[in-house]
Amino acid sequence: GENVEQHPSTLSVQEGDSAVIKCTYSDSASNYFPWYKQELGKRPQLIIDIRSNVGEKKDQRIAVTLNKTAKHFSLHITETQPEDSAVYFCAAHSGGYQKVTFGIGTKLQVIP
Amino acid sequence: GAVVSQHPSWVICKSGTSVKIECRSLDFQATTMFWYRQFPKQSLMLMATSNEGSKATYEQGVEKDKFLINHASLTLSTLTVTSAHPEDSSFYICSARPAGGQSPDTQYFGPGTRLTVL
Repeated sequence: GENVEQHPSTLSVQEGDSAVIKCTYSDSASNYFPWYKQELGKRPQLIIDIRSNVGEKKDQRIAVTLNKTAKHFSLHITETQPEDSAVYFCAAHSGGYQKVTFGIGTKLQVIP
Repeated sequence: GAVVSQHPSWVICKSGTSVKIECRSLDFQATTMFWYRQFPKQSLMLMATSNEGSKATYEQGVEKDKFLINHASLTLSTLTVTSAHPEDSSFYICSARPAGGQSPDTQYFGPGTRLTVL
């Protein structure tokens, strides 16, 4: 089955700096990679996603890159703000989108 | 749009009792709903995938007789934790995937249900 590894598990950055979270996956059939932001006690919220036919996608301060050959994808947050502090999860979809595997999560702390 | 609700948001029950959690897609139809379990400071673990009108597909290690899933309509799926024990205490989150649409693989998560078994 799919195995998704995510690192780092915790990340502290100064406000205004960039944050990068990386994930690797094992199943070459995986073709959809969403990123979720989860604040304490709340539901995961989709913040950006990328499909296997695209190498990079950007939405304002957030960008995701995908390297299919190396089977890894990364989340980039620029100009971080305190409200970016949360746990971020990557995920990989395979098997006709039915099977979803999540990374372990990264706790991001943005220090004002 | 794409709102998913869960009820109850939290529940406390005695060991040995059963608890039912509802997951509803409020403004879209969902042919597929997913049930996850999340322990404190840990990731979401997929428990099962339910498709409307058919039996749920359970992940390895998840007891289907203990975690009963019913997906009777395109907007409602239920998870019943039978004979609950303290080790079943957790945060249960559902998600729903819209039928058709431009992003058929996008999932929308419910707010979660905090289950505490005494």
